[in-house]
Amino acid sequence: QVHLQQWGAGLLKPSETLSLTCAVYGGSFSGYYWSWIRQPPGKGLEWIGEINHSGSTNYNPSLKSRVTISVDTSKNQFSLNLSSVTAADTAVYHCARERRGYSYDYMDVWGKGTTVTVSS
Amino acid sequence: DIQMTQSPSSLSASVGDRVTITCRASQSISSYLNWYQQKPGKAPKLLIYAASSLQSGVPSRFSGSGSGTDFTLTISSLQPEDFASYYCQQTYSTLLTFGGGTEVEIK
Repeated sequence: QVHLQQWGAGLLKPSETLSLTCAVYGGSFSGYYWSWIRQPPGKGLEWIGEINHSGSTNYNPSLKSRVTISVDTSKNQFSLNLSSVTAADTAVYHCARERRGYSYDYMDVWGKGTTVTVSS
Repeated sequence: DIQMTQSPSSLSASVGDRVTITCRASQSISSYLNWYQQKPGKAPKLLIYAASSLQSGVPSRFSGSGSGTDFTLTISSLQPEDFASYYCQQTYSTLLTFGGGTEVEIK
């Protein structure tokens, strides 16, 4: 049974860099895309970006200038860096596995989420 | 960007009710439409993928339909554990987007 375990700093000051890591246990790392999604308090879901095992990335244009997603295949991990954070980046951040095929593309395994608060 | 508009944003229903949530895309997305359920403090859970395919382990009272721009999630007989928020998601474009969510509350 695949599960994702995520971790990272939960309290940041404005202008700092958010760094989260997600580890994949119990399943293959290759053959999938791996995504980051966030949810501000009381609001909906926002996709941040994705990476595959080869390091190919796609980012949400609204965050692209500040986001870097990287992969460490030796550890079956992928990471999110979001620079120059502000209070608007306060959210629960989830990692997720993305299955992609000829006529489908969906997120079937999710991490539990990390609450990140940006406050001076 | 492809905008996803869900309606209603919230609804009140009773156990046993048939519940329908709709999701409209701002342009055609074929069948690249997924539905997720989210309970407070938990990660989203995949219910339906590719508009109408039931994810393994999800009760058969959940069903999805539609293609192009208009999609529907139906819960045939609402159960106590179904009170939650529901989100649609399009994966047709490189920029993945979610609907604003529908909160299903107990009447």
